[in-house]
Amino acid sequence: AQKITQTQPGMFVQEKEAVTLDCTYDTSDPSYGLFWYKQPSSGEMIFLIYQGSYDQQNATEGRYSLNFQKARKSANLVISASQLGDSAMYFCAMRDSISSGSARQLTFGSGTQLTVLP
Amino acid sequence: EPEVTQTPSHQVTQMGQEVILRCVPISNHLYFYWYRQILGQKVEFLVSFYNNEISEKSEIFDDQFSVERPDGSNFTLKIRSTKLEDSAMYFCASSGRTEAFFGQGTRLTVV
Repeated sequence: AQKITQTQPGMFVQEKEAVTLDCTYDTSDPSYGLFWYKQPSSGEMIFLIYQGSYDQQNATEGRYSLNFQKARKSANLVISASQLGDSAMYFCAMRDSISSGSARQLTFGSGTQLTVLP
Repeated sequence: EPEVTQTPSHQVTQMGQEVILRCVPISNHLYFYWYRQILGQKVEFLVSFYNNEISEKSEIFDDQFSVERPDGSNFTLKIRSTKLEDSAMYFCASSGRTEAFFGQGTRLTVV
């Protein structure tokens, strides 16, 4: 069974600093994908970044990068140069059997509430 | 940028009534999903849909729930005989092989 663990219920960061949000996962499937989503107080779920288990390089999208350590089964999100608008709940999620083409579900972690301080 | 669209954004319904939540997935995506998030809690998987049939469903997705893709573009979630505990944010998502995009959600309140 898949499992996603986010051990930081809340994090604070000073504006313009970098912050790392932790995520560990567990799966026996060699083909999986890891996702990060941002959920602001308005409630929508915004896709940030994706990392496939076979991707050779860590994913980056603008100020977001994913520190993927396969052997440790971790997929931490790094946000550089934090902005006040980054304050939100951040969810890590995983989907296995990526290569099978089936509609496998995303399993979500419990989330980390990030607060950016001015 | 293509997006998943959900309607309505808010729905208030009386206990026992039926509701239909609507979603327009991204046009070239093949996989469709419904998730729900009770206030302050985790995002929970309800059902996935591929090739015009249910691919997976969770234990939450019982006979009270059904999904349909009636016209090749819309993807609907029907909740029959709503209960107070069905109050939640309901998210539709669609994906290709990798990335999965969510709609903005429908906040359902059962009174």
